[in-house]
Amino acid sequence: GENVGLHLPTLSVQEGDNSIINCAYSNSASDYFIWYKQESGKGPQFIIDIRSNMDKRQGQRVTVLLNKTVKHLSLQIAATQPGDSAVYFCAESALSGGYQKVTFGIGTKLQVIP
Amino acid sequence: DAGITQSPRHKVTETGTPVTLRCHQTENHRYMYWYRQDPGHGLRLIHYSYGVKDTDKGEVSDGYSVSRSKTEDFLLTLESATSSQTSVYFCAISVAGSRPEAFFGQGTRLTVV
Repeated sequence: GENVGLHLPTLSVQEGDNSIINCAYSNSASDYFIWYKQESGKGPQFIIDIRSNMDKRQGQRVTVLLNKTVKHLSLQIAATQPGDSAVYFCAESALSGGYQKVTFGIGTKLQVIP
Repeated sequence: DAGITQSPRHKVTETGTPVTLRCHQTENHRYMYWYRQDPGHGLRLIHYSYGVKDTDKGEVSDGYSVSRSKTEDFLLTLESATSSQTSVYFCAISVAGSRPEAFFGQGTRLTVV
């Protein structure tokens, strides 16, 4: 929604620089960790996920790192572009009753400075 | 938006009135979800469905009911709307319960006055 960016942690990055968005999670039993991107006025859009038995996964211009020791997840965006400006949500997912129960964080707003 | 249509997109209603939000998908996905999004809370699951007439509660289900009579439609009903239900509501679908990737609709902004 339009107001989802209010009161959120904000990261400001210069266009062309790399962005790192961090997230702490709570459930050690989570099977997957996921990143979503939400642009103003739109629904969340899946970016990338990582299974709990991995520590790194790369996509197109994005890398997700998982550190289970300290329950930390990060999303790295290479060569940040104006179109990357959005709210980014991390989420953790655990199998519950036959489906993946997903718990979302509150989000981080990424502002790209042209 | 992965063939997901939410209606209406915006609605203003009065306290105490019933409201139904509709989610329609063209992907034939088994799993459908209703979330609400509020500042400071992120996305919270209201109800979900794992098949026709198969639904279950999420973490914030009080005051909401759902129905799924067809694979493609998932309805969210507020029996008697309250101001605390003012929110943006998102429908999501997923291919399989074993995978976390979900596709979201554009959202419905509901205001209860």
